[in-house]
Amino acid sequence: QVQLQESGPGLVKPSQTLSLTCTVSGGSISSGGYYWSWIRQHPGKGLEWIGYIYYSGSTYYNPSLKSRVTISVDTSKNQFSLKLSSVTAADTAVYYCARTVLVPARVWFDPWGQGTLVTVSS
Amino acid sequence: QSALTQPRSVSGSPGQSVTISCTGTSSDVGGYNYVSWYQQHPGKAPKLMIYDVSKRPSGVPDRFSGSKSGNTASLTISGLQAEDEADYYCCSYAGSLIVFGGGTKLTVL
Repeated sequence: QVQLQESGPGLVKPSQTLSLTCTVSGGSISSGGYYWSWIRQHPGKGLEWIGYIYYSGSTYYNPSLKSRVTISVDTSKNQFSLKLSSVTAADTAVYYCARTVLVPARVWFDPWGQGTLVTVSS
Repeated sequence: QSALTQPRSVSGSPGQSVTISCTGTSSDVGGYNYVSWYQQHPGKAPKLMIYDVSKRPSGVPDRFSGSKSGNTASLTISGLQAEDEADYYCCSYAGSLIVFGGGTKLTVL
């Protein structure tokens, strides 16, 4: 079955860019039919959708983060990536990647990666 | 502040039933029949439990059920078991974005 795994630095300095990659195994991003999302969870808090991408490169971002977020896809590596610029301590969170079903208005996330904690600190 | 409102905590004894509510607006929960629910154990990733308001993915026990009325969706867990103790989150499409509830901690007494 499809599995997702996040990777990237666990510590990022304030004002720098957070960069994470999600590697998909057990299925091809290029096969279509699914979107691929990033979701984060602040320590002890709820979930926040960051954005998603289709294998074609089409993206959609949470308006609250849109000015700082870039999600890209590398179909040759079966990976998609997140870049979040100008980070502050408020961006400290566990970041998850997830396969996303998105037929207009129908949306769910399954499966999820295990998550990776990113701490923003000098 | 989360877009969807959930009770912070609910509890129940083994074998009992509990219901977790998720209240939104006509722009999200009330506007679409597509609410999903996720279970999250401590230190683990969320797991899909319900999609399209009331459908269960393969492998999810039928003790878990979902419903919706107006702007409020509900997750009911019947025949509570110790392993059901976890955080639960609802999720809905909201036009220009996807929104989650703040989460509900279920304690099995």
